[in-house]
Amino acid sequence: EAGVVQSPRYKIIEKKQPVAFWCNPISGHNTLYWYLQNLGQGPELLIRYENEEAVDDSQLPKDRFSAERLKGVDSTLKIQPAELGDSAVYLCASSRTREGTQYFGPGTRLLVL
Amino acid sequence: GQNIDQPTEMTATEGAIVQINCTYQTSGFNGLFWYQQHAGEAPTFLSYNVLDGLEEKGRFSSFLSRSKGYSYLLLKELQMKDSASYLCAVSYNTDKLIFGTGTRLQVFP
Repeated sequence: EAGVVQSPRYKIIEKKQPVAFWCNPISGHNTLYWYLQNLGQGPELLIRYENEEAVDDSQLPKDRFSAERLKGVDSTLKIQPAELGDSAVYLCASSRTREGTQYFGPGTRLLVL
Repeated sequence: GQNIDQPTEMTATEGAIVQINCTYQTSGFNGLFWYQQHAGEAPTFLSYNVLDGLEEKGRFSSFLSRSKGYSYLLLKELQMKDSASYLCAVSYNTDKLIFGTGTRLQVFP
């Protein structure tokens, strides 16, 4: 079974530029998560999807961050404009159900200069 | 809050046994996960505890005491490849998984 796929793996941009991350979850997993992980910290939830519906986006900074999961499979996370403090690893995870074990992708390491 | 506390760093010797503790707030508790994360890589699932007691899986075991808000991950016969961060994560009634900051384990020969 293929794991969670994310791209790109690394991204370097200048501040105020836009950036987008893509995630393809494990086949059959209805729940998809985007997390932010700073160095030396645990992952922090940004948004959770049940199929195509965002059911928890309370931690998503909506002034600059947006996400979508149009057909209930792939998802994109966008930052516009990026700030220096957005430099972090952005992890995507999926689970078969909302109570199920979450499986993580390799993450996108973002550096904002 | 739902603070999850675990030691920041631990060191151990190859072949030894190490126990990584995790404490959490018990209100609304559903279950507890342990993940392993090597530097620059994704967290990988190790174990899930929902009932009190010890769950053994090869060299790794995980223990839970729901009443005490306490768990530990036990690693036996340590190998160099076990050097990684170990994340304790708790699922609450809100369906949200809250992660601790992780324990960075260094195994020395």
